[in-house]
Amino acid sequence: NAGVMQNPRHLVRRRGQEARLRCSPMKGHSHVYWYRQLPEEGLKFMVYLQKENIIDESGMPKERFSAEFPKEGPSILRIQQVVRGDSAAYFCASSPGPREGTDTQYFGPGTRLTVL
Amino acid sequence: RKEVEQDPGPFNVPEGATVAFNCTYSNSASQSFFWYRQDCRKEPKLLMSVYSSGNEDGRFTAQLNRASQYISLLIRDSKLSDSATYLCVVIFNSGGSNYKLTFGKGTLLTVNP
Repeated sequence: NAGVMQNPRHLVRRRGQEARLRCSPMKGHSHVYWYRQLPEEGLKFMVYLQKENIIDESGMPKERFSAEFPKEGPSILRIQQVVRGDSAAYFCASSPGPREGTDTQYFGPGTRLTVL
Repeated sequence: RKEVEQDPGPFNVPEGATVAFNCTYSNSASQSFFWYRQDCRKEPKLLMSVYSSGNEDGRFTAQLNRASQYISLLIRDSKLSDSATYLCVVIFNSGGSNYKLTFGKGTLLTVNP
């Protein structure tokens, strides 16, 4: 059973370019979460999605960032007009969906974005 | 005050040592508690959930003190492979959002031969 997959693992962009990060959840999981880890910082929640729905985007920067999880295909985190401060590790996690209590999230290997 | 605070370390211990990590959280209405480990440049992996009664998994023991808003992790007989960053993680009970993991910055452990 393949785990959460993310690609690319490393992404280099120049300031002003767009970055697209992809996440395929574990088989059978319909809930996807994105977290960002800035250098020397803890992971911070960005967004929670289900298929074709954004459930909670309270952690997303107001501008330039967007996320989707289409009916078919991976979840995409899109960063437009990247700036140096966007350089970070972006982790995706998936879960089968909360039943009772908390739903365990399994993390992918992350995408390391470097903005030159 | 940060929502989840940990001693950043680093902790350097010899093999076989016992080491304890502490974590405090700011919100008394917190729902769930976990310890994750993160190896260098890798993803976080769930080590164990933390329950009010305390729980043990092999060499690892986790404790929760809700009154003091304090969580601990004890590692006995430490191995070289325990070297990693240990992340304290809390889910705050906020408007039904029982999915938003709040991470501490982590405590770096190095176990030396």
